[in-house]
Amino acid sequence: DQQVKQNSPSLSVQEGRISILNCDYTNSMFDYFLWYKKYPAEGPTFLISISSIKDKNEDGRFTVFLNKSAKHLSLHIVPSQPGDSAVYFCAASVETSGSRLTFGEGTQLTVNP
Amino acid sequence: DAGITQSPRHKVTETGTPVTLRCHQTENHRYMYWYRQDPGHGLRLIHYSYGVKDTDKGEVSDGYSVSRSKTEDFLLTLESATSSQTSVYFCAINMGQGQKSYTFGSGTRLTVV
Repeated sequence: DQQVKQNSPSLSVQEGRISILNCDYTNSMFDYFLWYKKYPAEGPTFLISISSIKDKNEDGRFTVFLNKSAKHLSLHIVPSQPGDSAVYFCAASVETSGSRLTFGEGTQLTVNP
Repeated sequence: DAGITQSPRHKVTETGTPVTLRCHQTENHRYMYWYRQDPGHGLRLIHYSYGVKDTDKGEVSDGYSVSRSKTEDFLLTLESATSSQTSVYFCAINMGQGQKSYTFGSGTRLTVV
């Protein structure tokens, strides 16, 4: 039972354009959401997060949007840069879970120069 | 840098042999986690620990055991390795104090032949 799903295994965009990565979840108890970025042969690194009491969080070129009614979140990267090429994982947690994170399958983003 | 190291970085082992992966942290964080990363599955939680000698199962714990005799070390053991355990294994720590993001190690690539 995949509680966090990223339905697009890959996404390709041109440098300078917007990248939109999507994530859906099924567990209504999730109250905190995160995005991680992963380069080959490295561990995932934290990118941005959002609490369920918000619908948007912005950090430089990265913005995460949360639609609780649709159980959907998205990560926007504007403008996209070749260095953004990586695998992006969506993750979710429940406040009382001891900070256990449930991850999606990941989306490979390729930004073409 | 949170000071988390995994060893070994790469290992090839034969089916049926025991294997132990080590995760070491330098900052005495309470929560530690073991995940495996597989194509199409993202990161899945194997076991986690919330203190010395306090561990619990994750979603894919069958065939794995863990031990935490010291705050700084979290060991993952495959009692009898199988080909289905070929994967990349990541250790993570949680900084605590309300911090909900993890810091990951660089991973161990395990191949069971």
